[in-house]
Amino acid sequence: GAVVSQHPSRVICKSGTSVKIECRSLDFQATTMFWYRQFPKQSLMLMATSNEGSKATYEQGVEKDKFLINHASLTLSTLTVTSAHPEDSSFYICSAQSRTDTYEQYFGPGTRLTVT
Amino acid sequence: GEDVEQSLFLSVREGDSSVINCTYTDSSSTYLYWYKQEPGAGLQLLTYIFSNMDMKQDQRLTVLLNKKDKHLSLRIADTQTGDSAIYFCAESKNQGGKLIFGQGTELSVKP
Repeated sequence: GAVVSQHPSRVICKSGTSVKIECRSLDFQATTMFWYRQFPKQSLMLMATSNEGSKATYEQGVEKDKFLINHASLTLSTLTVTSAHPEDSSFYICSAQSRTDTYEQYFGPGTRLTVT
Repeated sequence: GEDVEQSLFLSVREGDSSVINCTYTDSSSTYLYWYKQEPGAGLQLLTYIFSNMDMKQDQRLTVLLNKKDKHLSLRIADTQTGDSAIYFCAESKNQGGKLIFGQGTELSVKP
């Protein structure tokens, strides 16, 4: 149980285009989802926290107009990188928290974004 | 501020014990976690400990917490090649709260 999927697993896009990454909780309802960014050989940095049905809370330094987060249902959150630039290339990981088990965040497998 | 530090690399021989260390600065940290990340994958929770505990054991894993020194360690007994991965410690102030991660320790297990 407690599986989180991400789609796509890898994506390459051109500079200036937008790309959407989906995060789904497959077998539980996720009241809260988190989006992280990880650079090679570095830690995960929290970008934003989203609660179902409300606006996401962004961490300091994260541009909310560039990284659009939508958490429209209890099993789906999306991250859209708008007007992507090469410096947005990174590994994006989501996690989901069950409404019944708030000790643990269940992590997705990540999405590798490359902007050319 | 919040800061979590780990050494970057650890190499051990198969069958030996591995000890991965972590220090944190926020004395109000309540929950401390160890996660494992295999190449190209997301994070898997290994274990967690509450700040009112000194030790937690789960099969081959032993977590030690020195709250005075803000030092956390993860000991893996009888380390296997399948344990090769990056190990992250993380802390949060409250249940279900924001996680602050260390840089990760890359564990290499040699046969």
